[in-house]
Amino acid sequence: GENVEQHPSTLSVQEGDSAVIKCTYSDSASNYFPWYKQELGKRPQLIIDIRSNVGEKKDQRIAVTLNKTAKHFSLHITETQPEDSAVYFCAAFYGNKLVFGAGTILRVKS
Amino acid sequence: EAQVTQNPRYLITVTGKKLTVTCSQNMNHEYMSWYRQDPGLGLRQIYYSMNVEVTDKGDVPEGYKVSRKEKRNFPLILESPSPNQTSLYFCASSLLAGALSYEQYFGPGTRLTVT
Repeated sequence: GENVEQHPSTLSVQEGDSAVIKCTYSDSASNYFPWYKQELGKRPQLIIDIRSNVGEKKDQRIAVTLNKTAKHFSLHITETQPEDSAVYFCAAFYGNKLVFGAGTILRVKS
Repeated sequence: EAQVTQNPRYLITVTGKKLTVTCSQNMNHEYMSWYRQDPGLGLRQIYYSMNVEVTDKGDVPEGYKVSRKEKRNFPLILESPSPNQTSLYFCASSLLAGALSYEQYFGPGTRLTVT
């Protein structure tokens, strides 16, 4: 079916450590994979995205990797800071329909 | 300022009383969509629209209607709301979808309670 599985559902890390969130999709035709960050009481905002013709993309402390063969993609946050605490969602387009993962609550302990 | 607006932001209503949540974007985006957000379930797409007069069902369309008569507006209609439609609703827009996908810009959200 058209779904996106996201793990873990919650993640606690110490400030300065790295955090990794993984997502799996099911449609090999999917070719665009965004990651959104949602702070408490706010709207989701795009933090990084990757297209299927690229294996990795970085933007300062965040990076996304894509393994098309295995149909999974991951978000990597290095040197985590308290302001990284939020809910993170991965997503994939199935045709013209955007399907989100269930979200990961990231807590960065200082 | 480029933005997506939704109204109302908060709404408490009773079962069966028809309601409309408006959504408007000023970025000339082609793609617009509605999502509901429930704890533990993430964001689920209700309906989306590729352009004027073109709408399609998302994952959870039951109990909802939409229309896209103008490019900038994409209202969500609940003809006969029920308590299981109590949720946080987001409207979003993007330049294009599918193979040429771009960033989804989300509205501020509408918290709906149906009693």
